[in-house]
Amino acid sequence: QSALTQPASVSGSPGQSITISCTGTSSDVGSYNLVSWYQQHPGKAPKLMIYEGSKRPSGVSNRFSGSKSGNTASLTISGLQAEDEADYYCCSYAGSSTLMFGGGTKLTVL
Amino acid sequence: EVQLVESGGGLVQPGGSLRLSCAASGFTFSSYWMSWVRQAPGKGLEWVANIKQDGSEKYYVDSVKGRFTISRDNAKNSLYLQMNSLRAEDTAVYYCASLEAVRYDYWGQGTLVTVSS
Repeated sequence: QSALTQPASVSGSPGQSITISCTGTSSDVGSYNLVSWYQQHPGKAPKLMIYEGSKRPSGVSNRFSGSKSGNTASLTISGLQAEDEADYYCCSYAGSSTLMFGGGTKLTVL
Repeated sequence: EVQLVESGGGLVQPGGSLRLSCAASGFTFSSYWMSWVRQAPGKGLEWVANIKQDGSEKYYVDSVKGRFTISRDNAKNSLYLQMNSLRAEDTAVYYCASLEAVRYDYWGQGTLVTVSS
């Protein structure tokens, strides 16, 4: 039960696009299209941004999008805004009713 | 409005026990799988345990198996986590969250558990 691999940090300027990767194995990310992404601001609870790889919950900006290729899922944020600065976590189904989170990525908006 | 409110956190000595509670409102609690997710200070999220709608199935991360027990009372719209044989590495904010088709739609505000002598 090792954590999914995410870059520790990414950064971008307002208006730019960034992509955060989430690498797992053929037993989790690669086997299921069940990756979700969460945004967490300091001292706050996580917020669901993407589920089932690429679906957006109601109320989440269409600037957020998700995709997957092989054992790697990705979250792309376009048109970066200051309020997007936060920690982002991926989460994948890992079989047998268990889940696994990534180590988290700190997004800095320059 | 959906609300998940955790309670029961605090300071406990290594080897001690603590029981966390999560009170749910604003949604049909009995229709959802529920989870506990924790976050050590300055660290990432870690899935801890899941429980099925009727409590008949429970799953745990390896590091807490045999020490933690997840349970629920649908009549009281409440989720619980009994934590025994606590270790320093269990120190974290513990969140309860509703699990729908492998996504966490709703989260509580978290309760801090500190294991220290």
